[in-house]
Amino acid sequence: EVHLVESGGGLVQPGGSLRLSCAASGFTFSSYWMHWVRQAPGKGLVCVARISTDGSSSGYADSVKGRFTISRDNAKNTLFLQMNSLRAEDTAVYYCAKDHTPGYMDVWGKGTTVTVSS
Amino acid sequence: DIVMTQSPDSLAVSLGERATINCKSSQSILHNSNNKNFLAWYQQKLGQPPRLLIYWASTRESGVPDRFSGSGSGTDFTLTISSLQAEDVAVYYCQQYYSTPPTFGQGTKVEIE
Repeated sequence: EVHLVESGGGLVQPGGSLRLSCAASGFTFSSYWMHWVRQAPGKGLVCVARISTDGSSSGYADSVKGRFTISRDNAKNTLFLQMNSLRAEDTAVYYCAKDHTPGYMDVWGKGTTVTVSS
Repeated sequence: DIVMTQSPDSLAVSLGERATINCKSSQSILHNSNNKNFLAWYQQKLGQPPRLLIYWASTRESGVPDRFSGSGSGTDFTLTISSLQAEDVAVYYCQQYYSTPPTFGQGTKVEIE
């Protein structure tokens, strides 16, 4: 069965950093683009970062560009999101999602919660 | 970025009745290369992650009940629940994957009347 399990969320002060992880299983991880999608409390879904199968190509939402970095370790079937210079508006549940080419998301993790507050 | 706008923001429907959700894209998401609309629909129940319902605007994902159907082309799309069940209470999102970044509508909350 296909699974995505996020971890690494928590409470962090403004200006701080966090690294999220997403462990994948049940499919050939290295064959699929992957996404990080966030959902602020009571709000909708926003794709904040995406990465190609081999990690050579990535894209970011304008709101996180220059602060967040997406990466992957295909040998360990793991997706990462390094989040620096965190702001209150980054508070959200962060989901990792498997891309079904050419761009809809067919598998989602349960999410990990990031709270940025002093 | 392509802007996706859903209507209404919320609706209440009686059990067994039809629910209709609309989604409009700011530009056409019909691709000339394959004549397909790059549009997906998701269901998100309270406290759960989104679940893929429909892709290519009208293709149901495996395991999705056939009371869910998608239609439309170009810039205007519709998700229809033909006979609303209690377990369909959720927020529904459309998403375009025609261009990067992929973008979602703001969501439509479906409740029981």
